[in-house]
Order: sequence, then structure tokens, then C-alpha cells
Amino acid sequence: DAKTTQPPSMDCAEGRAANLPCNHSTISGNEYVYWYRQIHSQGPQYIIHGLKNNETNEMASLIITEDRKSSTLILPHATLRDTAVYYCIVTDSGNTPLVFGKGTRLSVIA
Amino acid sequence: DTAVSQTPKYLVTQMGNDKSIKCEQNLGHDTMYWYKQDSKKFLKIMFSYNNKELIINETVPNRFSPKSPDKAHLNLHINSLELGDSAVYFCASSQQGPNQPQHFGDGTRLSIL
Repeated sequence: DAKTTQPPSMDCAEGRAANLPCNHSTISGNEYVYWYRQIHSQGPQYIIHGLKNNETNEMASLIITEDRKSSTLILPHATLRDTAVYYCIVTDSGNTPLVFGKGTRLSVIA
Repeated sequence: DTAVSQTPKYLVTQMGNDKSIKCEQNLGHDTMYWYKQDSKKFLKIMFSYNNKELIINETVPNRFSPKSPDKAHLNLHINSLELGDSAVYFCASSQQGPNQPQHFGDGTRLSIL
């Protein structure tokens, strides 16, 4: 079973920031928080990951709370192409098979 | 250049047939995986290989047999196909060690008639 809880769906206006929450209250000290997304009919796409500190890359920012029990993925300027299912996954190793939950279906609206 | 490529993209066949799906990665990764996404859209791990050796074999019927001829390839052979095998199959790869994301192919859509 997935170790994370995410809202089933969210809407975001195009050009606005999309903030996707994730709860992982049972996370262990050596586990990372990974975010992937799956755009319709494509394979999952890696977005970002972090352990304790906040992270930023060209796609998104990841904010992890100090107690590490929750995190937020931020897409700073959502576009229609960001419409996808977003998965928050907790794992202790990059090459451990990923356990996918139901994710959050993000709809970006023009 | 495609990092993880799967062939074929679509596969339509009849019940009882035997089929293979091929996967190749050009990322130099040590570990490769097969995932299955069913009609309810749940993604689940099937197999994991590291340096051509089987690491993980989830509860998958023995009609499914993965084969890794080298580190860059992980093929999936399925015998005696059943209706319930209809799904999208994704190959993925990653470098060994912590802090390494997985990279996925675009999937093979298998439909059993």
C-alpha cells in the first residue's frame, strides 16, 4: 500500500501556481519524497525529489515540512500541458520499485 | 534520443497466444523494471532486475517471464495470454543507489481479444 495520502483532484487556473499537497506521516528517516506525474497515455515522468530540505528545479519546487510528515509540490506557473495525475511517493532508495497510490488529478483550466 | 524505449507501442492479440514486449534503455542504468497499469489506472511493480539478475518478482503468474540479455535490455514474454492481461505495461530504469529517480518508457498497450 502507498504510504502517502493525496487529494483525488484539484483545479488550477492557467498561469497561476499549482500547489499539490501530500501527507506522509509514517515516513522513515532514510526515506525520500519523490514526485512523478503521468500525462494521459504517457509513462510516468519524474519531477523532483527531496529528503529534508526544500528543492527546486526547472519544473517545480518541493517544500517539505520540518517534521517531514507532509510536503507540497509547487508548479509556479501552471500551463494546460501540466494537466496530469501527480503522484507523491515515499521510498528509501531510488532503485526500490515505486509504490504508486491514486495520485492527484490536476486539471489546469484556461 | 529516447531514454527508455518499448516496442511495440500497441499489441492486439487473441487469448491463448504468446507475445513479447521489448525494452531498451540508453541511460547506462543498472536497474530495470516492469510495471503494469490496469484499467483502473493503478500502477504496480511486476519485476525488478539489477545487472541482469532478478531482484524482485511480485505476485505475477509464471506465464510472465522477464529476460535480461544485458544491462540495457529487459524483455517481457507472456505465455497463454488471458483477458485479464489486458493493460498498459511500462518499462523503467534507474541507476543503483539512493537518490536516483526512475525513468519510464511510454508503455505498451496490450489488448486481448
